[in-house]
Amino acid sequence: AQSVTQPDIHITVSEGASLELRCNYSYGATPYLFWYVQSPGQGLQLLLKYFSGDTLVQGIKGFEAEFKRSQSSFNLRKPSVHWSDAAEYFCAVGGIGTYKYIFGTGTRLKVLA
Amino acid sequence: DARVTQTPRHKVTEMGQEVTMRCQPILGHNTVFWYRQTMMQGLELLAYFRNRAPLDDSGMPKDRFSAEMPDATLATLKIQPSEPRDSAVYFCASGAGERNEQFFGPGTRLTVL
Repeated sequence: AQSVTQPDIHITVSEGASLELRCNYSYGATPYLFWYVQSPGQGLQLLLKYFSGDTLVQGIKGFEAEFKRSQSSFNLRKPSVHWSDAAEYFCAVGGIGTYKYIFGTGTRLKVLA
Repeated sequence: DARVTQTPRHKVTEMGQEVTMRCQPILGHNTVFWYRQTMMQGLELLAYFRNRAPLDDSGMPKDRFSAEMPDATLATLKIQPSEPRDSAVYFCASGAGERNEQFFGPGTRLTVL
């Protein structure tokens, strides 16, 4: 079955600390992988995407993610978190020949001053 | 700055009333998605269109929901009659190309009393 798992519902980090949000997927074909961020009252904004090639991808706002095929993971990282990064983060998977994404349930990030 | 627009941004209505939500996809995008987001269910795909033709509406309650694309610049989601359980944020997203990155609108927050 196709699925996306974000095992952490909530994560709290201090401002300036590093961040890693986990995402595991199950997909029967070559995946396209995405991370979105949703601030309160806003729509989802695309942070970064992976289609093929270099497994470390850079996104906006200083985020990066690494695709690990052997672990079926696409974890999101940021070396130093800012208070404005507090939001909900969604991982999604799609693929060739399909227009639909499968979204994870989201991880809500809280940043302590 | 191309973006998806949705109207209205907020809607409060009474049970039994008809609700119509509108979406203008990014110019040139030929895939349009409707999602619903609630605290309990998270982000659910209701329906999507490709080149104005419905490809999948399996996520939508057929008895009361309908989605259409009268033209390439307008997608509509209608609920008739509305029920309190329909209270949610409804997002439209559009995409283009084989990789079909999805770009989300700001959402319509619907409250059915």
